[in-house]
Amino acid sequence: KQEVTQIPAALSVPEGENLVLNCSFTDSAIYNLQWFRQDPGKGLTSLLLIQSSQREQTSGRLNASLDKSSGRSTLYIAASQPGDSATYLCAVSSLTQGGSEKLVFGKGTKLTVNP
Amino acid sequence: GAGVSQSPSNKVTEKGKDVELRCDPISGHTALYWYRQSLGQGLEFLIYFQGNSAPDKSGLPSDRFSAERTGGSVSTLTIQRTQQEDSAVYLCASSLKGLAGGMFFGPGTRLTVL
Repeated sequence: KQEVTQIPAALSVPEGENLVLNCSFTDSAIYNLQWFRQDPGKGLTSLLLIQSSQREQTSGRLNASLDKSSGRSTLYIAASQPGDSATYLCAVSSLTQGGSEKLVFGKGTKLTVNP
Repeated sequence: GAGVSQSPSNKVTEKGKDVELRCDPISGHTALYWYRQSLGQGLEFLIYFQGNSAPDKSGLPSDRFSAERTGGSVSTLTIQRTQQEDSAVYLCASSLKGLAGGMFFGPGTRLTVL
C-alpha cells in the first residue's frame, strides 16, 4: 500500500527566505508526482507535475525534484512571500484496489510566511 | 467553464438525511475522481470514472455512498442516511485521460452533518 509522508507538518519562515518542503513515498512504482497548493476553505491548485522519467520541474520561484528510486521529492520555494502561505500537498500516482490510477496524498505541510 | 465546478459549496444537514453533491468536470476530460478530506486527515480516494467504463468504487467507505456520472460529464455523489462522521470536504477532480496530464480539482463541497 502506497503511503506518502510530508515533513515538516508546519513551517513558519520570514519573508524572503528560501525553503524546502519534503515528501517521501513507500512504493517507487509511480507514474508521476504532483505538488498542489491548498488555501484555507479552497480546493487544490496544481503547482508542478513530474513524470516518473523526469528529475525535476520548475515554475517561477518553484522547483520540484524527484528521486524515484529513493522515494523522495522536494519542493523548493525561492524568495518566499506572504502570499505563499498555504498548505502544500504532495501526491503520487498509484493503483486502486480496482486497478485504476489514483493519486495518494500526503497530509501536507502548512507554510506561513511572515512579513 | 474553465475549471472544475462543484455545488453546493456548503451543505449542512441533519443526521439520517440523504445528500447529493454535484461536480462539473473540465470540458473534454474523460476521467473524474471524488475524494474526501476530513479534518486533520489527508485526501481519501472515493471513486473514479473513466469514460464509459464501469466506475472504480473501491474507495467508497460504505454502501451508503454512491455516485453516478451522466453522459460522461456531470457527476453526482450521493450519501444516504448521513452520519456525523461523514462531515468533511468532498473534492471532485478531473483529468484529460488518467493521471498523465495531471489532475485538476474543484473548490469542494463542505458537508456538515449535525
